[in-house]
Amino acid sequence: DVKVTQSSRYLVKRTGEKVFLECVQDMDHENMFWYRQDPGLGLRLIYFSYDVKMKEKGDIPEGYSVSREKKERFSLILESASTNQTSMYLCASSPRGYTFGSGTRLTVV
Amino acid sequence: AQSVTQPDIHITVSEGASLELRCNYSYGATPYLFWYVQSPGQGLQLLLKYFSGDTLVQGIKGFEAEFKRSQSSFNLRKPSVHWSDAAEYFCAVGPSNDYKLSFGAGTTVTVRA
Repeated sequence: DVKVTQSSRYLVKRTGEKVFLECVQDMDHENMFWYRQDPGLGLRLIYFSYDVKMKEKGDIPEGYSVSREKKERFSLILESASTNQTSMYLCASSPRGYTFGSGTRLTVV
Repeated sequence: AQSVTQPDIHITVSEGASLELRCNYSYGATPYLFWYVQSPGQGLQLLLKYFSGDTLVQGIKGFEAEFKRSQSSFNLRKPSVHWSDAAEYFCAVGPSNDYKLSFGAGTTVTVRA
């Protein structure tokens, strides 16, 4: 089975910190995605990537950036964390349908 | 633009009873449609998907969904729920298996004994 691993289940960071959320998949998938999940809003796409060093903005990219230096790793970066970025972050990879990681619950205090 | 509406935020159902979760989508062309389930503290797991062919799709865990183009709906059903079906369910739409998907806000299912 494809495995998508998010490095942290829970993170607590301070306002203004630079935060890195890591996602690694082990099946040579071209496509990788970052979503945030908030109650009542479902999943909203932040950024996605279809190839190494390639990235595209999703629906809510403001305050975030991404890095994809290797095919298996897709990192989400919060340049200066703010309290409104407190959320559950989900990484996914494809083809042939999404495989999701278990998520990182980030709290910004 | 693509979007998904799940009209029911929360549904409570008795164990052994039937379950139906509603999903309405907006999409300009022939959509790929998906249902995912998220158990507490877990990521999302694919239940089933539809692109073409038979409009009644069978998935895992005994779930099925019916695509109705005229109603822009893709409702999820299960004839007899088990306590382990308590979870949050998300409907999603997109142009393919692999391109970016749009998700609904989710429906939380509670199963009572």
